[in-house]
Amino acid sequence: GDSVTQTEGPVTVSESESLIINCTYSATSIAYPNLFWYVRYPGEGLQLLLKVITAGQKGSSRGFEATYNKETTSFHLQKASVQESDSAVYYCALGDRNNAGAKLTFGGGTRLTVRP
Amino acid sequence: GPKVLQIPSHQIIDMGQMVTLNCDPVSNHLYFYWYKQILGQQMEFLVNFYNGKVMEKSKLFKDQFSVERPDGSYFTLKIQPTALEDSAVYFCASSWGLGRAETLYFGSGTRLTVL
Repeated sequence: GDSVTQTEGPVTVSESESLIINCTYSATSIAYPNLFWYVRYPGEGLQLLLKVITAGQKGSSRGFEATYNKETTSFHLQKASVQESDSAVYYCALGDRNNAGAKLTFGGGTRLTVRP
Repeated sequence: GPKVLQIPSHQIIDMGQMVTLNCDPVSNHLYFYWYKQILGQQMEFLVNFYNGKVMEKSKLFKDQFSVERPDGSYFTLKIQPTALEDSAVYFCASSWGLGRAETLYFGSGTRLTVL
């Protein structure tokens, strides 16, 4: 079946340091995967951080970037300089471009703590 | 941005009783979803719902589970009867459904504790 594997947390970094959270996927039942990063800030619901639907392209939002690499089946999340407000749980997810209303398959989540 | 509201945020219930989890999705959305996350585990798809019907359900969506959205009101997940293994956080989501890369909007979850 389809699956997503991401960096196991918790991850702790200091403010202004760089960050990478790894994500790899296996899309056995999806011909054209969409890839997403969702984030859950403390006390809030899951919200979309960024998405990419075409292999080879990069998505970016709030200083975060992720490139859809079909060859390595990866979608790593990176940020050059984190802030304390980035502390949250990050989820990589896989969807199906050709299936409106299709389910998402999530990774296990990575809890990030940014030290001031 | 668009908000999905889930009511209540926490529910405690005795095993064998019925429980209904309520979700107020984004107003113009057409597709609705429930996900389940057991403590320490991944968030997993339960079911999606469109035009009054279940489109797809996972093996986690047991016979004791049902979903409905009567008259465009709340989208509900009913569990009857509940079992201990139903203890989890249940997340509702909705999406517009007509794009190539659907963005799902999630609620904050209802923590269900079955005693």
